Amino acid sequence: NAGVTQTPKFQVLKTGQSMTLQCAQDMNHEYMSWYRQDPGMGLRLIHYSVGAGITDQGEVPNGYNVSRSTTEDFPLRLLSAAPSQTSVYFCASSTGQEQFFGPGTRLTVL
Amino acid sequence: GENVEQHPSTLSVQEGDSAVIKCTYSDSASNYFPWYKQELGKGPQLIIDIRSNVGEKKDQRIAVTLNKTAKHFSLHITETQPEDSAVYFCAASRGGGADGLTFGKGTHLIIQP
Repeated sequence: NAGVTQTPKFQVLKTGQSMTLQCAQDMNHEYMSWYRQDPGMGLRLIHYSVGAGITDQGEVPNGYNVSRSTTEDFPLRLLSAAPSQTSVYFCASSTGQEQFFGPGTRLTVL
Repeated sequence: GENVEQHPSTLSVQEGDSAVIKCTYSDSASNYFPWYKQELGKGPQLIIDIRSNVGEKKDQRIAVTLNKTAKHFSLHITETQPEDSAVYFCAASRGGGADGLTFGKGTHLIIQP
């Protein structure tokens, strides 16, 4: 099993550009979530999903959209990137207990 | 919503000594408390977790204690080794982890040789 995979590993955007961060898991986990990690802030929950077709907002959802059309994939969309969205983004999947994290995407918005 | 406070932000201990990291949480409905270790450039990895119906859990050199009345939980690492150097995060969830986690801000553990 590859576990949780994220692409791309690094990305630089200009303010106002849009992009999608990809996340996939091959463990047949029902639950998936997105976090952002900023220096000194720990990880903060952006959005999560408890199953295909079901998503909900976390602590910091503004500026981000998600959808869950399949069990395996949980993409995170930035509609109009802002410098405040410069961060490291982690996707995680779970059976409802332990969360397995991907390797992260480092995003810089200029 | 839930708020998790973690202390200290940096902890330096001599190799072989013990390390203790403490967290408090605010939501009395939280029922799942994991601890994660994050090495530079990698995603967090679960090292131990505890549920609200248990007061203590051990796994070799690592233990976690939970005091539900006081709403705090702690990570204990004994006989520390150089490979224990990393950033450690505590977290809490009211949904057993299914609805995402609220993390503390992390502790940078430094093991001095």
